[in-house]
Amino acid sequence: AQSVTQLDSHVSVSEGTPVLLRCNYSSSYSPSLFWYVQHPNKGLQLLLKYTSAATLVKGINGFEAEFKKSETSFHLTKPSAHMSDAAEYFCVVRRGSARQLTFGSGTQLTVLP
Amino acid sequence: GAGVSQSPSNKVTEKGKDVELRCDPISGHTALYWYRQSLGQGLEFLIYFQGNSAPDKSGLPSDRFSAERTGGSVSTLTIQRTQQEDSAVYLCASSPDGATNEKLFFGSGTQLSVL
Repeated sequence: AQSVTQLDSHVSVSEGTPVLLRCNYSSSYSPSLFWYVQHPNKGLQLLLKYTSAATLVKGINGFEAEFKKSETSFHLTKPSAHMSDAAEYFCVVRRGSARQLTFGSGTQLTVLP
Repeated sequence: GAGVSQSPSNKVTEKGKDVELRCDPISGHTALYWYRQSLGQGLEFLIYFQGNSAPDKSGLPSDRFSAERTGGSVSTLTIQRTQQEDSAVYLCASSPDGATNEKLFFGSGTQLSVL
């Protein structure tokens, strides 16, 4: 069985300050992990993915995530938030060799001016 | 270029009516997923199609829900005898090759409201 827990349903940061969106997973297999972003009235967009090549993964728009097996975490970070980063973010785990994805419940990021 | 297209974008229906939601995946994509996003909830997997293989229906919440994919392209999600708890955004996604590339391309969804 696999599951994904996004620890914060809402995160608010000021523009120009760091962003941290937390994600913990459980999986019986070596997981593939993803972060997706959903802007209002738009479809989901892939930010980045981890597939065991490197523990620190860089994505689009300055986001990155670090896979920490000992902590079963895959937190999403960005050094400096921009107003356009306001959106909902989903952490996703893929089960072993299967193709089914499990989504976390999402974290709504608000960026304050 | 053309992305994943879903129609209608909004659907309002009365309890007990049947609805059909359509998804046009990106041309050439062999994998197609349906998800449901209820208010305040994460994405809930419904069904997965991969090529000509039998679909993975493990996420369908009840036998009122069904889906088909004709000719390996367009997919239709059907909900029979709709209930108010079926109200949600239904998202379709496709990917080039479900085995090695899990980058999903999502449509903008269909907002279903059951009155």
